[in-house]
Amino acid sequence: QLQLQESGPRLVKPSETLSLTCTVSGDSISSSSYYWGWIRQPPEKGLEWIGNIYYSGTTYYNPSLTSRVTISVDASWNQFSLRLSSVTAADTAVYYCARLIGGLHWKNYVDVWGKGTTVIVSS
Amino acid sequence: QSVLTQPPSVSGAPGQRVTISCTGSSSNIGAGYDVHWYQQLPGTAPKLLIYVNTNRPSGVPDRFTGSKSGTSASLAISGLQAGDEALYYCQSYDSSLSGYVVFGGGTKLTVL
Repeated sequence: QLQLQESGPRLVKPSETLSLTCTVSGDSISSSSYYWGWIRQPPEKGLEWIGNIYYSGTTYYNPSLTSRVTISVDASWNQFSLRLSSVTAADTAVYYCARLIGGLHWKNYVDVWGKGTTVIVSS
Repeated sequence: QSVLTQPPSVSGAPGQRVTISCTGSSSNIGAGYDVHWYQQLPGTAPKLLIYVNTNRPSGVPDRFTGSKSGTSASLAISGLQAGDEALYYCQSYDSSLSGYVVFGGGTKLTVL
């Protein structure tokens, strides 16, 4: 059964870079059937899409975050990662990694979610 | 301000039927992009509830029904149960800017 597990620092200082990794077990991240993505949820707020990556390395980012976001894949470890630079308190959130299915970027939806990890931006 | 608009809250008594709306525009739902729905129980990650407008994943009861028309979509929940109390989010795609995945602001369902 597919499982996604987020890992990384829970506390990040303002202006620094947030780095998270999602380890995929139960499926190959190199499958051409899926996209892999990051979604976040600030405290008491709704879901915000951060970005997706296809196994080929093609990436899609939220226009509001694109200048600060990098998503990458490491197929040898069956992992994908998120880097968000120049963080502020507004980046404090639960960060979910996810598998997306749909065949095309604009048709994608999340069929498997990680449990989520809370990241706090504070000095 | 979410691109997709949902009511902040809805409520209903056990056994009743409620609907949650998701209103978009000509650059997302109205442009023909699919709508998907997620249920988020307290303290847990969201779970896929409806995909591609009307389809239920295996294991989701047929009490949950999705529909789409024009620039809007709806999620109907019949035979309300206490365990349905959760946050519900719609999701679609918006073709403005460079194109991006969009979520509704979420609707809190309270079972009275």
